[in-house]
Amino acid sequence: EPEVTQTPSHQVTQMGQEVILHCVPISNHLYFYWYRQILGQKVEFLVSFYNNEISEKSEIFDDQFSVERPDGSNFTLKIRSTKLEDSAMYFCASSPDRSSYEQYFGPGTRLTVT
Amino acid sequence: DAKTTQPPSMDCAEGRAANLPCNHSTISGNEYVYWYRQIHSQGPQYIIHGLKNNETNEMASLIITEDRKSSTLILPHATLRDTAVYYCIVRGEGGSQGNLIFGKGTKLSVKP
Repeated sequence: EPEVTQTPSHQVTQMGQEVILHCVPISNHLYFYWYRQILGQKVEFLVSFYNNEISEKSEIFDDQFSVERPDGSNFTLKIRSTKLEDSAMYFCASSPDRSSYEQYFGPGTRLTVT
Repeated sequence: DAKTTQPPSMDCAEGRAANLPCNHSTISGNEYVYWYRQIHSQGPQYIIHGLKNNETNEMASLIITEDRKSSTLILPHATLRDTAVYYCIVRGEGGSQGNLIFGKGTKLSVKP
């Protein structure tokens, strides 16, 4: 069964450094999402992406964050200058089309900012 | 914030049915009820969704009250692998509001 993959599984970075998290959505999907989950807290929506542009973003997704689909398969989340509070699990998700009821989540990347 | 209310935790004996309630008293006519679950530290997993009719798939059944103000997710024969946090989410028809808003969910513990 096709699945969303994410790399790396764990990323450790120093405060102020840039980090890029990688996702490979399911191949025929058109909508892509990033969520995050701080340890012990709720899963929070960050951004959705369709047709090479951002569809929606939350207030968490400020100027320090950006997303890109650099080729036909990858979907990346960049954090320009990481802060301690960016430490969280970051989940990528994809869905087939606008009317899809189901989002498929990847296994997540644990980001630790020291 | 999430528009649903769920108990924070529930226990269930292995092999028995797990019935997880959800209140969504402010649901509007075009909003669906979705259920996802998150097994420890993994990505959330879609379970089932419904509008007003009861639904069943290979994972679970969804019972929605006639007034649509509450619903129950039923896992007919819970196993230890069903131990997870279960999220009830209301959302407009897929795509009109793309993001999922997760609450705190119900932590289901299935015990041997």
